[in-house]
Amino acid sequence: AQTVTQSQPEMSVQEAETVTLSCTYDTSESDYYLFWYKQPPSRQMILVIRQEAYKQQNATENRFSVNFQKAAKSFSLKISDSQLGDAAMYFCAYHMAEKLVFGKGTKLTVNP
Amino acid sequence: DADVTQTPRNRITKTGKRIMLECSQTKGHDRMYWYRQDPGLGLQLIYYSFDVKDINKGEISDGYSVSRQAQAKFSLSLESAIPNQTALYFCATSGTTAPQEDQHFGDGTRLSIL
Repeated sequence: AQTVTQSQPEMSVQEAETVTLSCTYDTSESDYYLFWYKQPPSRQMILVIRQEAYKQQNATENRFSVNFQKAAKSFSLKISDSQLGDAAMYFCAYHMAEKLVFGKGTKLTVNP
Repeated sequence: DADVTQTPRNRITKTGKRIMLECSQTKGHDRMYWYRQDPGLGLQLIYYSFDVKDINKGEISDGYSVSRQAQAKFSLSLESAIPNQTALYFCATSGTTAPQEDQHFGDGTRLSIL
């Protein structure tokens, strides 16, 4: 069974600084997708970034980037120049066979 | 208007009641999903549907049923609600064209069972 582990229940960062959220996953597949979702207090689930396992290049979306280490089954999210609006729960998710498996989430606090 | 609409947004009900949560979408997606979110547990898949005639159980389907009334509508029912079904429920959709792996979520229904 696929599992996704987020080992940091909570993280904090100063505004304008950089923070990295960790995610590891377990799979025997070679082709899959990984995602980071953001859930602000408004409770919406917002797709932040996606990574295709067959691509070696790390995905980047503006201030958000990932460090994808396929052999280590690691998929961390780096947020640069943190903003107050980045405060949220962040969920890592693994996609295979048309379904998503989520980690338990990391609560990110951004301090002014 | 939201692409994926869930109703109601919040609901408080009593143990033993039958509850229906509704989801409709205007994205034209074939695939629809119901998830449950509990504090500290992330999202868990309850049921999913790849088209009107295809319904599949997820990880935690016990105590729930679904109906795919049309391509755009997917309802989740709790036949006899119990307090440990108190949670935040999400509907999501995905398409069959790239990026088909991306799931698009509604705003959630917060359900409290007393």
